[in-house]
Amino acid sequence: GIQVEQSPPDLILQEGANSTLRCNFSDSVNNLQWFHQNPWGQLINLFYIPSGTKQNGRLSATTVATERYSLLYISSSQTTDSGVYFCAVELLIRIKAAGNKLTFGGGTRVLVKP
Amino acid sequence: EAGVTQSPTHLIKTRGQQATLRCSPISGHTSVYWYQQALGLGLQFLLWYDEGEERNRGNFPPRFSGRQFPNYSSELNVNALELEDSALYLCASSFRGAREQYFGPGTRLTVT
Repeated sequence: GIQVEQSPPDLILQEGANSTLRCNFSDSVNNLQWFHQNPWGQLINLFYIPSGTKQNGRLSATTVATERYSLLYISSSQTTDSGVYFCAVELLIRIKAAGNKLTFGGGTRVLVKP
Repeated sequence: EAGVTQSPTHLIKTRGQQATLRCSPISGHTSVYWYQQALGLGLQFLLWYDEGEERNRGNFPPRFSGRQFPNYSSELNVNALELEDSALYLCASSFRGAREQYFGPGTRLTVT
């Protein structure tokens, strides 16, 4: 199956710092999503970004599908940015009925210190 | 607009019992997905339902089953509970034909 690797596994930041999280995937995809998991376990949608670049406030993301990676940028980090960030992909396959499942990376645990 | 809802929030069961978890998708969404997040194992795909039918299944034993109702809500049943079934179970939904999935708050199942 498709492999999804996230780096770094852990990241400690001082409030106000910028950071970049990376997601590498092993095969062609037709869906890539970034999530932030809050302390209670809920996955909050950050970006749906199978290709291209998007920005939402202090967060932005870029996916280069041809090179099989995606980057999540956090600028001017705040303590509320702490948590685990997941990248998840859906493999591009021709049999529609067998698709639609997300494969998650291992996550990047971010701690922003005041 | 209400998001994906799940019940119960927490569930404590004894080994060998059965657990039933429930999920209501976002209004207008027809696909429901179930994922398991067990400690040390990450997030793993369990089941996908669309239009009342099971469309795809992850690498889980048959004692994990479910169904989708005509109103698109879904139920996940876990029979003959084992200690390793203790996990956070997340439900997600999407529009028919759309790729982006939206997640609920999860049900935390503890098996003792």
